[in-house]
Amino acid sequence: EAGVTQFPSHSVIEKGQTVTLRCDPISGHDNLYWYRRVMGKEIKFLLHFVKESKQDESGMPNNRFLAERTGGTYSTLKVQPAELEDSGVYFCASSPLAGATSTDTQYFGPGTRLTVL
Amino acid sequence: LAKTTQPISMDSYEGQEVNITCSHNNIATNDYITWYQQFPSQGPRFIIQGYKTKVTNEVASLFIPADRKSSTLSLPRVSLSDTAVYYCLVGTFNQAGTALIFGKGTTLSVSS
Repeated sequence: EAGVTQFPSHSVIEKGQTVTLRCDPISGHDNLYWYRRVMGKEIKFLLHFVKESKQDESGMPNNRFLAERTGGTYSTLKVQPAELEDSGVYFCASSPLAGATSTDTQYFGPGTRLTVL
Repeated sequence: LAKTTQPISMDSYEGQEVNITCSHNNIATNDYITWYQQFPSQGPRFIIQGYKTKVTNEVASLFIPADRKSSTLSLPRVSLSDTAVYYCLVGTFNQAGTALIFGKGTTLSVSS
């Protein structure tokens, strides 16, 4: 079974440019999450999709960030325009919808390292 | 979600047993305790989860005392490849999915 994949693995852009990160979850996983770690800080939750719907976007830092999951499969996270403080590692995770007795084990991708100069 | 406290770092040698303790004094009745492991340049990976007493899988054991205010992740006979950051997370998981809250984690360094 293929794991969660993210593209690109590394992106270097200049301040003011636009970058789009992509996440392909494990096939069949309805839950998709975005997290990020900025330098020296903890991994922070950004948002959560259930299929194509945004379940929780309380962690999105501001309106320069736009996440989509059209069709409920892969997801994109666009940063426009990028600022210096957006630099960090962006992780995507997925999980199946939990059954009555199971708990939410999330499977993480390797992350995209974003550097804004 | 309940706040957790764990050591910033630990050192060990190959073949030793490593125990990482996590404090979660404000754990709620419905909260589970979950541990994730993260290697450099990778995303976190689920290790083990428990609610009370002891849970064991092929990777680790998780010990949870009766009051559930702490938990201990036990890694038997560590190897160099166990060098990683270990995160203790506490929270209630619902069927619609849950945002994980990570702390700073414990950086485990295993030497030969």
